[in-house]
Amino acid sequence: NAGVTQTPKFQVLKTGQSMTLQCAQDMNHEYMSWYRQDPGMGLRLIHYSVGAGITDQGEVPNGYNVSRSTTEDFPLRLLSAAPSQTSVYFCASRHPPGTAGRAEAFFGQGTRLTVV
Amino acid sequence: GENVEQHPSTLSVQEGDSAVIKCTYSDSASNYFPWYKQELGKGPQLIIDIRSNVGEKKDQRIAVTLNKTAKHFSLHITETQPEDSAVYFCAASGDDYKLSFGAGTTVTVRA
Repeated sequence: NAGVTQTPKFQVLKTGQSMTLQCAQDMNHEYMSWYRQDPGMGLRLIHYSVGAGITDQGEVPNGYNVSRSTTEDFPLRLLSAAPSQTSVYFCASRHPPGTAGRAEAFFGQGTRLTVV
Repeated sequence: GENVEQHPSTLSVQEGDSAVIKCTYSDSASNYFPWYKQELGKGPQLIIDIRSNVGEKKDQRIAVTLNKTAKHFSLHITETQPEDSAVYFCAASGDDYKLSFGAGTTVTVRA
């Protein structure tokens, strides 16, 4: 199994540009989420989805949009990139909480984004 | 929302010694506490987790303890090896989907 696949691995954007970070999982997980990782701040939740067609905001949603048209895919869109969005972005998926013995969240390899 | 604090931020240990990382959480409704290991250039990977109905769990050289009353949990790594060098994150969640992470601990095992 590929697990959670993120593309691209690296990206440089100019301020004001838009782009989409791709995330796909092949484990039939209902729950998917996007985190950003900044030095000294751990991982902070941007947006999450509890199933196809359902999304919600996390801790730091401003400047990002998501959609969930299929179980497998959960793209993250930056509408107008800003230097403050320079970060490493991780996508994760898991079974719903309470699923017996299957609480683990699986993470992708990350996308390192630089906005200049 | 949940607030998870993690200490220390860096930890250097001699190979063969033990390493301990401590986390506290704020939301008494949290009931799931995973620990993740992140190697350079990779995504976090689960190494051990514990639920609120268990006080301690062990997997070979790794153990986690949970004190619900004090709202803190700890990761213990015994007989450390060079491959244990990485960044470790604690996290907490309740009956929703959201995982709240600590800021991370960079562990260096000196040969």
